[in-house]
Amino acid sequence: ETGVTQTPRHLVMGMTNKKSLKCEQHLGHNAMYWYKQSAKKPLELMFVYSLEERVENNSVPSRFSPECPNSSHLFLHLHTLQPEDSALYLCASSQTGAGGYTFGSGTRLTVV
Amino acid sequence: GIQVEQSPPDLILQEGANSTLRCNFSDSVNNLQWFHQNPWGQLINLFYIPSGTKQNGRLSATTVATERYSLLYISSSQTTDSGVYFCAVGDTNKLIFGTGTLLAVQP
Repeated sequence: ETGVTQTPRHLVMGMTNKKSLKCEQHLGHNAMYWYKQSAKKPLELMFVYSLEERVENNSVPSRFSPECPNSSHLFLHLHTLQPEDSALYLCASSQTGAGGYTFGSGTRLTVV
Repeated sequence: GIQVEQSPPDLILQEGANSTLRCNFSDSVNNLQWFHQNPWGQLINLFYIPSGTKQNGRLSATTVATERYSLLYISSSQTTDSGVYFCAVGDTNKLIFGTGTLLAVQP
């Protein structure tokens, strides 16, 4: 596989559930990102990992917990979400200072 | 923080027409990218262009960093060009997105 792969593509979860979103990049990049895209709003940066260290946490509620076990994998652990957390969650990767971001296809999350 | 403004917010074109999309930003940046989001939500990187001019087929982009704006040109538009075009600016590890231009190309 090439590029950035996100799973699952769609997820419906109750407010008391715990789930995880997965992102994998096959590009040899050294930085990975989580973005949230809600209806009628610009993409919002959530988390940045560079060389497997979190370098940005953009005031995201603690019910979202990122994990970056290595430079190719990024997870977003979800627990006790609210309906307003329903959105498209996008993962991206890049090589620091060397070019553009590559995005995955996203996970469409619905919280019921 | 950096403010990013895109214009126009919406654009309807007939197939074959040309268009120019604009991105204004409020502070100096060392990272500027243009993306196309298709109707299925996939974001495709079009250009990494913190300064200068680049061309890729029917698309080209110009960034004038000293005047804090970037332009995306689409020539001979096709229906497959429809979607949302985003400008994103910032530094190496923090990219801030504009609200996008929604483009509809009609046959």
